[in-house]
Amino acid sequence: DIQMTQSPSSVSASVGDSVTITCRASQGINNWVAWYQQKPGKAPKLLIYAASSLLSGVPSRFSGSGSGTDFTLTISSLQPEDFATYLCQQANTFPRGTFGGGTKVQIK
Amino acid sequence: EVQLVESGGGLVQPGGSLRLSCAASGFTLSSNYMSWVRQAPGKGLEWVSVLSAGGTTISADSVKDRFTLSRDNSKNTLYLQMNSLNAEDTAVYYCARALVEFSGGFDIWGQGTVVTVSS
Repeated sequence: DIQMTQSPSSVSASVGDSVTITCRASQGINNWVAWYQQKPGKAPKLLIYAASSLLSGVPSRFSGSGSGTDFTLTISSLQPEDFATYLCQQANTFPRGTFGGGTKVQIK
Repeated sequence: EVQLVESGGGLVQPGGSLRLSCAASGFTLSSNYMSWVRQAPGKGLEWVSVLSAGGTTISADSVKDRFTLSRDNSKNTLYLQMNSLNAEDTAVYYCARALVEFSGGFDIWGQGTVVTVSS
């Protein structure tokens, strides 16, 4: 099974900061990588698919990149509503999916 | 409005069974890949099982032979039959739609239903 190792597990940042989150796959995969935002008590929300494609309606301060085994999510100019947990998912083995462990973005 | 609504969660004793439901509205469930994803308390997301449009089911090793997916097309509803439950199955269970157009990303999620396995 393909494992997704996400880092860091948590990060503290201020409004206006830029944050980068990384997911590393246990083997090379295609670009079927998605990123989600999850707030406490809520279902995850899809932000990015195909590693770098922004879902319609998602602010442009969110961006994704990567290929092979290393993928990143960058949030530029953090807004108050961005403090949440972010998770990656690989779908190289679609329709199976594997998620990373999550990164909690906290207010500094 | 496109949405998924789960129900059926609750408290069950170890070794017991439970059936979760996921009612879809705004789209045809049977035309899509529909998955169950769970989240244990304080933990990350774990993909559990998927039912394809063609009726093929695939499950994670952790639930294989214990969990079964089915759907009722007339009710536009997905079901997860869970048997031989143990404490490690305690989690919030979400149903979600995966789209090939979104490279397997889950674009629609239900609100989740809580399953607690405890004596």
